[in-house]
Amino acid sequence: AQSVSQHNHHVILSEAASLELGCNYSYGGTVNLFWYVQYPGQHLQLLLKYFSGDPLVKGIKGFEAEFIKSKFSFNLRKPSVQWSDTAEYFCAVDSGYSTLTFGKGTMLLVSP
Amino acid sequence: SQTIHQWPATLVQPVGSPLSLECTVEGTSNPNLYWYRQAAGRGLQLLFYSVGIGQISSEVPQNLSASRPQDRQFILSSKKLLLSDSGFYLCAWMRRFGPPLHFGNGTRLTVT
Repeated sequence: AQSVSQHNHHVILSEAASLELGCNYSYGGTVNLFWYVQYPGQHLQLLLKYFSGDPLVKGIKGFEAEFIKSKFSFNLRKPSVQWSDTAEYFCAVDSGYSTLTFGKGTMLLVSP
Repeated sequence: SQTIHQWPATLVQPVGSPLSLECTVEGTSNPNLYWYRQAAGRGLQLLFYSVGIGQISSEVPQNLSASRPQDRQFILSSKKLLLSDSGFYLCAWMRRFGPPLHFGNGTRLTVT
């Protein structure tokens, strides 16, 4: 069975710091990859997705993620975080079986 | 545009009581439908998914069941709730041809 591993459960940053959240998946075939975000009190929203093509994908609010096939990774990055980025971030993988497998999530706290 | 409705938002039920959570999707036909449970630090656990009316796949054996009586309606049920059923339940939908997954606002269930 496929699995998704997110390296950090909690991350605390100051505003303007750079962010990188790690995500590794176990499936060896063709995958679609996603990052979802859940802001406090809100529902899960899609942040960005990778299906094929350019391995560097850009999402909303200045986020980007890089797919590195050889490392089975899909790390999320943002050059300069804001207080409003405080949220929980989930990495997910779809291997074509009509379901998404999610990581355990990373709680990001950005202090002003 | 497509929307997903999930209710109730919060629910407090005694142990041994029945459960029925409803989810409906508007603006699309033949969606794949999903029930996830979210627990702090444990990510999202897929409970059930459905690719059509009356078709339910269970990912985790447990005290819960799901039904899809109509194309855009998905119901999560239990005959007798356990304390361990407490949690945050999310309904989601996906187009037939694939992701991303779109989530409802969730139901916070507390079993007392």
